[in-house]
Amino acid sequence: QLQLQESGPGLVKPSETLSLTCTVSGGSISGTSYYWGWIRQAPGKGLNWIGLIYYSGTTYYNPSLKRRVTISMDTSKNQFSLNLNSVTAADTAVYYCARGLYGSGTDYWGQGTLVTVSS
Amino acid sequence: QSALTQPPSASGSPGQSVTISCTGTSSDVGGYDYVSWYQQHPGKAPKLVIYEVSKRPSGVPDRFSGSKSGNTASLTVSGLQAEDEADYYCSSYAGSNVVFGGGTKVTVL
Repeated sequence: QLQLQESGPGLVKPSETLSLTCTVSGGSISGTSYYWGWIRQAPGKGLNWIGLIYYSGTTYYNPSLKRRVTISMDTSKNQFSLNLNSVTAADTAVYYCARGLYGSGTDYWGQGTLVTVSS
Repeated sequence: QSALTQPPSASGSPGQSVTISCTGTSSDVGGYDYVSWYQQHPGKAPKLVIYEVSKRPSGVPDRFSGSKSGNTASLTVSGLQAEDEADYYCSSYAGSNVVFGGGTKVTVL
């Protein structure tokens, strides 16, 4: 059974960089069919897609976040990561990592991790 | 990037059906047969219940069905059960990115 687990600081100061890692177990992130992505959900709000990465290294980002986001993967550790720089309070959210298939939605999700941006 | 439009709420009695709409544009919902629907219970991660407009992942009851007409997709939950009370989100492929709807809270009366 594939499992995804987010990890990283729960508190980030304004203007700094939010960094999260997703560790995948029960399967390899090296498969060519799937993408590995990040989605966030501000408190009491809806889902917001951040971006994704394929095994090839190809990335796609939400245009509204593109200038601040980087998603990368480390196949040796079976992990992929999210960096979001110059954060503000508006970036406070539960951040989910997930696996998906082109056009077919995301079928496996991590449990989510709350990141609060505050001084 | 605009979110897809969903009604904020919907409700039905046990055993009844409820249908949720998801309206986008020709650049997302109308342009691709890549609409997904997610169910989210409070404090939990979303769960995929429909993909590619009308396909159900393994383990999802056939009470859940999806369809699309033009720029509007729909999710129907038939034979409502108490456990179906949740937030539901639509999502669509939109070229090189993905867009979500604002979510619909389904209440089982």
